[in-house]
Amino acid sequence: GAVVSQHPSWVICKSGTSVKIECRSLDFQATTMFWYRQFPKQSLMLMATSNEGSKATYEQGVEKDKFLINHASLTLSTLTVTSAHPEDSSFYICSANGAANPYGYTFGSGTRLTVV
Amino acid sequence: AQKITQTQPGMFVQEKEAVTLDCTYDTSDQSYGLFWYKQPSSGEMIFLIYQGSYDEQNATEGRYSLNFQKARKSANLVISASQLGDSAMYFCAMREYYGNNRLAFGKGNQVVVIP
Repeated sequence: GAVVSQHPSWVICKSGTSVKIECRSLDFQATTMFWYRQFPKQSLMLMATSNEGSKATYEQGVEKDKFLINHASLTLSTLTVTSAHPEDSSFYICSANGAANPYGYTFGSGTRLTVV
Repeated sequence: AQKITQTQPGMFVQEKEAVTLDCTYDTSDQSYGLFWYKQPSSGEMIFLIYQGSYDEQNATEGRYSLNFQKARKSANLVISASQLGDSAMYFCAMREYYGNNRLAFGKGNQVVVIP
């Protein structure tokens, strides 16, 4: 079935540094990638939607200069958290939309980011 | 405005019993899809079941069934014969086809299955 590989699964970084999270669709073409963040015991909040080859669409309140999303190919999308701060510590998860997915969505396994 | 509402507090369920998780939604679209996902402590999102707005029959997938009441805008998940491995967070989500196909999630229900 459709698989999305997300890595790293967890990362600890120092405040002020940047972290890149990758989501790669292994056996299908991801025309759209959705990026979510989830705080402990809360729901998934959509951060942005990206389509291959075009600029990402960010949800209201999400800083596009802080959360850089690149969807350069149909199999790879990246989220870069720039100048990370402790309040950026969260669980980030991607979801790919493509023709091969049953009912439309395949989630990555998530990345737990801790900024110290 | 919140589109998906899950209001039940955390639930304890006896192993082998059934559990119903409530979900109500709000949309003015005629075409939409409803999903239930399971999220164990590892964080992965596991797809459980899907119901399309035009589907006349309630969806079923093994031990999971969806009680779809369109007029009441509810899509409750029923898990039959609970197992210890069912302990997790459960999220109801809706896709509106005119909203870039994105999913809107409810706040989730915590389920703990006890032996």
